[in-house]
Amino acid sequence: NAGVMQNPRHLVRRRGQEARLRCSPVKGHSHVYWYRQLPEEGLKFMVYLQKENIIDESGMPKERFSAEFPKEGPSILRIQQVVRGDSAAYFCASSPDKNTGELFFGEGSRLTVL
Amino acid sequence: DQQVKQNSPSLSVQEGRISILNCDYTNSMFDYFLWYKKYPAEGPTFLISISSIKDKNEDGRFTVFLNKSAKHLSLHIVPSQPGDSAVYFCAASRNSGNTPLVFGKGTRLSVIA
Repeated sequence: NAGVMQNPRHLVRRRGQEARLRCSPVKGHSHVYWYRQLPEEGLKFMVYLQKENIIDESGMPKERFSAEFPKEGPSILRIQQVVRGDSAAYFCASSPDKNTGELFFGEGSRLTVL
Repeated sequence: DQQVKQNSPSLSVQEGRISILNCDYTNSMFDYFLWYKKYPAEGPTFLISISSIKDKNEDGRFTVFLNKSAKHLSLHIVPSQPGDSAVYFCAASRNSGNTPLVFGKGTRLSVIA
C-alpha cells in the first residue's frame, strides 16, 4: 500500500523544543497539504505545497511554523519552540497533478507538548 | 468563522436503517463538496463528492444531496452497517476543487447492531 506515509506517528516534546513532522505523499503525487486537528475540532488547513514551492500558506501561524517540500525527500512541517497549544494531530494529504479536490490523507502525527 | 458547519456532533442509528448526516455552509463561493470518513487513529478517507452543478450523487449505499439555495448538503447511508460507525467530515472547496478544502467539525455516527 503506497499511500501517504507520515512519521513519527506520535511525538512528545517539552515546551520550547522543536518538532519535525515528515510526510511522503502517494507516489506520483506532487501536491501536498498539511492540516491540523485540535481536540474536538475539524481539520484546519495549514499549508499547500508543490515540489520546492509553497503555494498557499494562509493557514499557517505567522511565527514558529514552517513547511517545505524539497525536490527530493519528504515534506517537512517544522514547529519551533513548541507550546502546549501546539498539541494536536497533524495530517498530511496529497493529490495527483490535476487537483480534483479529492485528497489522500496519511494516518497523522500526534504531537503532545508537555 | 466556521464556514462549514456540522451541527450534530453525534448520531446513533440502528443497523439496516438510514443514516442522514447534515452539513451547512456559509460561503456561496463554494462549488465542490466532499464527505470524508475517519476511523480512530487513522487518517480521513474520501467517501463521495458532489459538484454544485448537480443536486445529487450516488455511489452504492451512499448518496449526497446538495441544496444550493439553502447552502445545505446531506449524506444518506442506506442501509447502515456497523462498519459505517466512524466520524464523518463534510468539506467544501472553491474553483471546482482547486482551493484547499475547508472541513466541518465532524459527526460521529454509531450504527447499533
